[in-house]
Amino acid sequence: GQQLNQSPQSMFIQEGEDVSMNCTSSSIFNTWLWYKQDPGEGPVLLIALYKAGELTSNGRLTAQFGITRKDSFLNISASIPSDVGIYFCVRMDSSYKLIFGSGTRLLVRP
Amino acid sequence: EPEVTQTPSHQVTQMGQEVILRCVPISNHLYFYWYRQILGQKVEFLVSFYNNEISEKSEIFDDQFSVERPDGSNFTLKIRSTKLEDSAMYFCASSEPFKYEQYFGPGTRLTVT
Repeated sequence: GQQLNQSPQSMFIQEGEDVSMNCTSSSIFNTWLWYKQDPGEGPVLLIALYKAGELTSNGRLTAQFGITRKDSFLNISASIPSDVGIYFCVRMDSSYKLIFGSGTRLLVRP
Repeated sequence: EPEVTQTPSHQVTQMGQEVILRCVPISNHLYFYWYRQILGQKVEFLVSFYNNEISEKSEIFDDQFSVERPDGSNFTLKIRSTKLEDSAMYFCASSEPFKYEQYFGPGTRLTVT
């Protein structure tokens, strides 16, 4: 019930392309977060979603909290080389600890 | 911009030795966390800490692990007798009271030989 399934596992795209990745779970969540981890660094919060159906943007990034509260997607428009990294969907449980998904590894070909 | 810092960036130790990983959380944050990431795997929660005591710990956080806030700025993770399987990146994170966002440090890579 606490597992977050992310797809795809990895993506190798051309610079300038749009990217879409998603995350699903069998459990309902109240908070959905998207973090990015650059190589050799700690995760950095990209977008936080708090309400079912919420659509939030942060620059070229857009994320939505699914109506069923069991899924979320993250889109990146016009990818650039510095978008390379691992993107994690993350849920927060009632005790405020973070549960990470397995991640989507993004590689961008210049 | 304030950030979480961690030292050392890389620690190599022999099996059975004690290690202490250090973190300086963001100064006005009151909730502190340790997570770990085994190479190629996802980030896993270890322990949360608030008001000078452990709030929650995972099953990974057994009796070999302990945390401490020895002064007003540092937050430490101690592993008493390291095992090979403790090799991982260890991340410290902190958050403000009643806020969801946790800010992560750059991590300490622990290698147990």
